[in-house]
Amino acid sequence: DSGVTQTPKHLITATGQRVTLRCSPRSGDLSVYWYQQSLDQGLQFLIQYYNGEERAKGNILERFSAQQFPDLHSELNLSSLELGDSALYFCASSAPLGVQNSPLHFGNGTRLTVT
Amino acid sequence: GQSLEQPSEVTAVEGAIVQINCTYQTSGFYGLSWYQQHDGGAPTFLSYNALDGLEETGRFSSFLSRSDSYGYLLLQELQMKDSASYFCAVRDQDDKIIFGKGTRLHILP
Repeated sequence: DSGVTQTPKHLITATGQRVTLRCSPRSGDLSVYWYQQSLDQGLQFLIQYYNGEERAKGNILERFSAQQFPDLHSELNLSSLELGDSALYFCASSAPLGVQNSPLHFGNGTRLTVT
Repeated sequence: GQSLEQPSEVTAVEGAIVQINCTYQTSGFYGLSWYQQHDGGAPTFLSYNALDGLEETGRFSSFLSRSDSYGYLLLQELQMKDSASYFCAVRDQDDKIIFGKGTRLHILP
Protein backbone atom coordinates (compact mmCIF):
# COMPACT_ATOMS: atom_id res chain seq x y z
CA ASP A 1 0.00 0.00 0.00
CA SER A 2 1.57 3.27 -1.18
CA GLY A 3 -0.52 5.42 1.14
CA VAL A 4 -1.94 7.39 -1.79
CA THR A 5 -5.70 7.09 -2.20
CA GLN A 6 -7.52 7.71 -5.45
CA THR A 7 -11.26 7.71 -5.97
CA PRO A 8 -13.19 6.49 -7.78
CA LYS A 9 -11.48 3.37 -9.11
CA HIS A 10 -13.64 3.25 -12.20
CA LEU A 11 -15.66 5.89 -13.98
CA ILE A 12 -17.84 5.44 -17.03
CA THR A 13 -19.37 8.50 -18.60
CA ALA A 14 -20.55 9.89 -21.90
CA THR A 15 -18.89 12.30 -24.29
CA GLY A 16 -19.39 15.93 -23.39
CA GLN A 17 -19.69 15.24 -19.69
CA ARG A 18 -17.52 16.45 -16.81
CA VAL A 19 -15.91 14.34 -14.11
CA THR A 20 -13.79 14.92 -11.03
CA LEU A 21 -11.04 12.59 -9.91
CA ARG A 22 -9.86 12.77 -6.33
CA CYS A 23 -6.50 12.07 -4.73
CA SER A 24 -5.30 12.02 -1.13
CA PRO A 25 -1.51 12.04 -0.89
CA ARG A 26 0.62 10.02 1.47
CA SER A 27 0.79 11.47 4.97
CA GLY A 28 3.51 14.14 5.09
CA ASP A 29 3.87 14.51 1.33
CA LEU A 30 3.33 18.02 0.03
CA SER A 31 3.69 17.39 -3.71
CA VAL A 32 0.96 15.85 -5.83
CA TYR A 33 1.45 14.85 -9.45
CA TRP A 34 -1.18 13.82 -12.00
CA TYR A 35 -0.39 11.50 -14.90
CA GLN A 36 -2.44 10.09 -17.77
CA GLN A 37 -1.74 6.62 -19.12
CA SER A 38 -3.49 5.51 -22.28
CA LEU A 39 -3.47 1.92 -23.53
CA ASP A 40 0.10 0.73 -24.04
CA GLN A 41 1.38 4.26 -23.54
CA GLY A 42 3.75 5.73 -21.05
CA LEU A 43 2.89 8.04 -18.22
CA GLN A 44 2.08 11.47 -19.58
CA PHE A 45 2.74 14.21 -17.03
CA LEU A 46 -0.24 16.51 -16.62
CA ILE A 47 0.35 18.81 -13.68
CA GLN A 48 2.06 19.11 -10.31
CA TYR A 49 1.05 20.90 -7.13
CA TYR A 50 3.17 21.69 -4.14
CA ASN A 51 1.57 22.69 -0.85
CA GLY A 52 -1.50 24.08 -2.57
CA GLU A 53 0.23 25.90 -5.39
CA GLU A 54 0.66 24.84 -9.00
CA ARG A 55 4.34 24.13 -9.52
CA ALA A 56 4.69 22.57 -12.96
CA LYS A 57 2.44 21.98 -15.92
CA GLY A 58 2.85 19.39 -18.63
CA ASN A 59 0.73 18.51 -21.64
CA ILE A 60 -2.55 19.20 -19.92
CA LEU A 61 -5.47 20.10 -22.14
CA GLU A 62 -7.39 23.32 -21.53
CA ARG A 63 -10.47 21.18 -20.86
CA PHE A 64 -8.64 19.75 -17.85
CA SER A 65 -7.96 21.57 -14.61
CA ALA A 66 -6.74 20.67 -11.18
CA GLN A 67 -6.27 22.07 -7.74
CA GLN A 68 -4.77 21.15 -4.40
CA PHE A 69 -6.70 22.04 -1.27
CA PRO A 70 -5.41 23.19 2.14
CA ASP A 71 -5.67 19.64 3.47
CA LEU A 72 -3.38 18.69 0.54
CA HIS A 73 -5.84 16.48 -1.26
CA SER A 74 -6.10 17.19 -4.96
CA GLU A 75 -8.78 17.02 -7.60
CA LEU A 76 -8.43 16.68 -11.36
CA ASN A 77 -11.41 18.00 -13.32
CA LEU A 78 -11.99 16.78 -16.85
CA SER A 79 -14.68 18.51 -18.90
CA SER A 80 -16.20 18.26 -22.37
CA LEU A 81 -15.01 14.69 -22.39
CA GLU A 82 -14.02 13.03 -25.63
CA LEU A 83 -13.54 9.37 -26.48
CA GLY A 84 -9.78 9.93 -26.55
CA ASP A 85 -9.81 10.93 -22.90
CA SER A 86 -10.42 7.33 -21.95
CA ALA A 87 -7.34 6.36 -19.96
CA LEU A 88 -5.96 5.46 -16.59
CA TYR A 89 -5.31 8.55 -14.49
CA PHE A 90 -2.72 8.26 -11.77
CA CYS A 91 -2.03 10.53 -8.87
CA ALA A 92 1.34 10.36 -7.14
CA SER A 93 2.81 12.13 -4.17
CA SER A 94 6.34 12.76 -2.98
CA ALA A 95 8.20 14.28 -0.08
CA PRO A 96 8.77 18.02 0.19
CA LEU A 97 11.10 19.83 -2.17
CA GLY A 98 14.76 19.54 -1.33
CA VAL A 99 14.52 15.82 -0.88
CA GLN A 100 15.53 15.19 -4.46
CA ASN A 101 15.84 11.47 -4.23
CA SER A 102 12.34 11.13 -2.92
CA PRO A 103 10.44 8.71 -5.12
CA LEU A 104 6.92 9.09 -6.37
CA HIS A 105 4.30 7.04 -4.57
CA PHE A 106 1.42 6.22 -6.89
CA GLY A 107 -2.20 5.63 -6.14
CA ASN A 108 -4.00 2.74 -7.80
CA GLY A 109 -5.42 5.00 -10.46
CA THR A 110 -8.84 5.90 -11.77
CA ARG A 111 -9.85 4.14 -14.97
CA LEU A 112 -11.96 6.53 -17.02
CA THR A 113 -14.05 5.20 -19.87
CA VAL A 114 -15.80 7.71 -22.11
CA THR A 115 -18.55 6.24 -24.29
CA GLY B 1 12.06 19.25 -26.10
CA GLN B 2 12.33 16.74 -23.34
CA SER B 3 12.46 13.07 -24.14
CA LEU B 4 13.43 9.73 -22.70
CA GLU B 5 14.09 6.81 -25.03
CA GLN B 6 13.91 3.18 -24.01
CA PRO B 7 13.21 -0.02 -25.96
CA SER B 8 9.55 -0.89 -26.25
CA GLU B 9 10.02 -4.60 -25.52
CA VAL B 10 12.67 -6.96 -24.24
CA THR B 11 12.49 -10.73 -23.93
CA ALA B 12 14.66 -12.86 -21.65
CA VAL B 13 14.74 -16.32 -20.13
CA GLU B 14 13.95 -17.11 -16.52
CA GLY B 15 17.14 -17.11 -14.46
CA ALA B 16 19.02 -14.94 -16.93
CA ILE B 17 20.16 -11.32 -16.79
CA VAL B 18 18.57 -8.49 -18.76
CA GLN B 19 19.52 -4.86 -19.25
CA ILE B 20 17.04 -2.11 -20.10
CA ASN B 21 18.61 1.05 -21.47
CA CYS B 22 17.40 4.62 -21.21
CA THR B 23 18.72 7.75 -22.87
CA TYR B 24 17.37 11.14 -21.93
CA GLN B 25 17.27 14.72 -23.07
CA THR B 26 15.82 17.10 -20.50
CA SER B 27 15.99 20.66 -19.26
CA GLY B 28 18.18 20.21 -16.24
CA PHE B 29 18.77 16.90 -14.54
CA TYR B 30 18.18 15.91 -10.96
CA GLY B 31 18.38 12.18 -11.09
CA LEU B 32 17.25 9.13 -13.03
CA SER B 33 14.69 6.81 -11.49
CA TRP B 34 13.23 3.46 -12.47
CA TYR B 35 9.70 2.24 -11.86
CA GLN B 36 8.04 -1.12 -12.34
CA GLN B 37 4.43 -1.52 -13.38
CA HIS B 38 2.58 -4.82 -13.58
CA ASP B 39 -0.44 -5.05 -15.86
CA GLY B 40 -3.39 -3.35 -14.23
CA GLY B 41 -1.28 -2.06 -11.38
CA ALA B 42 0.30 1.18 -10.27
CA PRO B 43 3.94 2.05 -10.92
CA THR B 44 6.23 1.31 -8.00
CA PHE B 45 9.64 2.81 -7.38
CA LEU B 46 12.69 0.60 -7.95
CA SER B 47 15.82 2.73 -7.87
CA TYR B 48 17.33 6.19 -8.16
CA ASN B 49 20.68 7.48 -9.45
CA ALA B 50 21.78 11.06 -8.93
CA LEU B 51 25.49 10.48 -9.48
CA ASP B 52 27.42 8.43 -12.01
CA GLY B 53 27.90 4.80 -11.26
CA LEU B 54 26.07 1.70 -10.22
CA GLU B 55 23.46 1.39 -7.49
CA GLU B 56 22.58 -2.11 -6.36
CA THR B 57 19.39 -3.19 -4.61
CA GLY B 58 19.10 -6.93 -4.38
CA ARG B 59 18.60 -8.49 -7.81
CA PHE B 60 18.17 -5.07 -9.39
CA SER B 61 20.93 -2.61 -10.22
CA SER B 62 20.81 0.76 -11.93
CA PHE B 63 23.58 2.64 -13.68
CA LEU B 64 23.97 6.27 -14.68
CA SER B 65 26.38 8.15 -16.91
CA ARG B 66 25.49 11.84 -16.84
CA SER B 67 28.05 12.73 -19.51
CA ASP B 68 26.33 10.33 -21.90
CA SER B 69 22.78 11.14 -20.70
CA TYR B 70 22.37 7.40 -20.35
CA GLY B 71 21.34 4.90 -17.78
CA TYR B 72 20.25 1.31 -17.53
CA LEU B 73 18.41 -1.04 -15.25
CA LEU B 74 19.93 -4.47 -14.77
CA LEU B 75 17.77 -7.32 -13.58
CA GLN B 76 19.53 -10.51 -12.48
CA GLU B 77 18.25 -14.01 -11.74
CA LEU B 78 15.06 -13.22 -13.58
CA GLN B 79 11.85 -14.59 -12.14
CA MET B 80 8.49 -14.92 -13.83
CA LYS B 81 7.11 -12.27 -11.47
CA ASP B 82 9.52 -9.77 -13.05
CA SER B 83 7.34 -9.76 -16.16
CA ALA B 84 6.15 -6.16 -16.19
CA SER B 85 6.74 -2.78 -17.78
CA TYR B 86 9.73 -0.77 -16.65
CA PHE B 87 9.89 3.00 -16.91
CA CYS B 88 12.83 5.35 -16.59
CA ALA B 89 12.07 8.83 -15.33
CA VAL B 90 13.97 12.08 -14.94
CA ARG B 91 13.34 14.95 -12.56
CA ASP B 92 14.04 18.16 -14.44
CA GLN B 93 14.93 21.67 -13.32
CA ASP B 94 11.26 22.58 -12.84
CA ASP B 95 10.73 19.58 -10.57
CA LYS B 96 8.67 17.87 -13.25
CA ILE B 97 9.17 14.11 -13.32
CA ILE B 98 9.08 12.96 -16.93
CA PHE B 99 8.69 9.28 -17.83
CA GLY B 100 9.81 7.27 -20.80
CA LYS B 101 7.22 5.23 -22.73
CA GLY B 102 8.24 2.09 -20.89
CA THR B 103 9.82 -1.24 -21.74
CA ARG B 104 7.67 -4.35 -21.57
CA LEU B 105 9.75 -7.25 -20.25
CA HIS B 106 8.68 -10.72 -21.35
CA ILE B 107 10.19 -13.65 -19.48
CA LEU B 108 10.24 -17.10 -21.01
CA PRO B 109 10.30 -20.20 -18.81
